[in-house]
Amino acid sequence: AQSVTQLGSHVSVSEGALVLLRCNYSSSVPPYLFWYVQYPNQGLQLLLKYTSAATLVKGINGFEAEFKKSETSFHLTKPSAHMSDAAEYFCVVSDGGDYKLSFGAGTTVTVRA
Amino acid sequence: DTAVSQTPKYLVTQMGNDKSIKCEQNLGHDTMYWYKQDSKKFLKIMFSYNNKELIINETVPNRFSPKSPDKAHLNLHINSLELGDSAVYFCASSSGLAGGVGTDTQYFGPGTRLTVL
Repeated sequence: AQSVTQLGSHVSVSEGALVLLRCNYSSSVPPYLFWYVQYPNQGLQLLLKYTSAATLVKGINGFEAEFKKSETSFHLTKPSAHMSDAAEYFCVVSDGGDYKLSFGAGTTVTVRA
Repeated sequence: DTAVSQTPKYLVTQMGNDKSIKCEQNLGHDTMYWYKQDSKKFLKIMFSYNNKELIINETVPNRFSPKSPDKAHLNLHINSLELGDSAVYFCASSSGLAGGVGTDTQYFGPGTRLTVL
């Protein structure tokens, strides 16, 4: 069974600063990993996903994540935060195939002007 | 056009009532899902249908019954509502072409906020 841990339930950054959201996973097989974002009062949308191709994955809105098997991590970064990045971010893991997604507890990002 | 739509957006009701939430997707996807998001924003899958067939059925009270009249629609009926059912319910869909529910990108609706008084 797979699981995911997001380190830090709340991250506050200044506009223009680096955004770093940490995610560690456990999986008995090579995992599929996703980051989803939920803007206030909206549904979730995919930021990016890792499916065993390149370990550095680029997503929408300038976000990227790096899969590190040795560290069982899939941290999400953005070099320069924008006010519009304020949202809830979910790291998600799956064993692939017909296995359901397991969501992390989420990290709330606030951006200070 | 909204890709995944849910109605209603807000639902306020009394304990013991029966209510339904409707979901429709116009993406031509084969797979649809219901998720529950609690007050701490934790998301958990409840059900998944592929071409009208139930493929994921998590440990959910029998009071919750999904129904898929066709592959574009997945409704959720809840009997005898309880206080603990208060949450935001999300419908989602995926193409089913990428290799299974564990690999597909899922497209979420805007959510239905259910409040049980």
